[in-house]
Amino acid sequence: GQQLNQSPQSMFIQEGEDVSMNCTSSSIFNTWLWYKQDPGEGPVLLIALYKAGELTSNGRLTAQFGITRKDSFLNISASIPSDVGIYFCAGHPPSNYQLIWGAGTKLIIKP
Amino acid sequence: NAGVTQTPKFQVLKTGQSMTLQCAQDMNHEYMSWYRQDPGMGLRLIHYSVGAGITDQGEVPNGYNVSRSTTEDFPLRLLSAAPSQTSVYFCASSYSNRAVVGELFFGEGSRLTVL
Repeated sequence: GQQLNQSPQSMFIQEGEDVSMNCTSSSIFNTWLWYKQDPGEGPVLLIALYKAGELTSNGRLTAQFGITRKDSFLNISASIPSDVGIYFCAGHPPSNYQLIWGAGTKLIIKP
Repeated sequence: NAGVTQTPKFQVLKTGQSMTLQCAQDMNHEYMSWYRQDPGMGLRLIHYSVGAGITDQGEVPNGYNVSRSTTEDFPLRLLSAAPSQTSVYFCASSYSNRAVVGELFFGEGSRLTVL
């Protein structure tokens, strides 16, 4: 089936640093979404992107829908302790309801 | 608002046992789905439903059954549990016009261990 390559798998960062992660696919998507999962919880939608080239912000988070429709990135500026968690990208193919998920990027903030 | 409620939160089964994971939502969402989450992998869709009486298979449906008799409830049944079904299971729901673009509301998860 379709797969998303999400990188990096994990990141150790200092509080206050900026963070960048991305997802790529071998096929096009109609939407790209970024979710965050806190320990012991279900994923929560952070940002949804609907058009190629779209750049959207949600507070300190910024995400972009790649021009080729095969990639997306998420940036977090000035990271804080509550940013810890797993960030998932997900893409919606043109065909149906089956959302395709990346394997996640685990964000860990050094004390 | 309760949102999406899953029960139980934790369950241990022996191989061959059956059980049902419950999912209920109070947002009047047409679309409901079940995912499993395994370490190092993204979420994988098991089954989904676009309304009462309508269900369909996702990416990994084998070993699982679902039904949708009401808008609110979407139980997931394991008929004969296997160790490979050890996972964290998430129920997610949405309005149909938001589900088609991937905007989902998730429950807190049910952690299942099959010995």
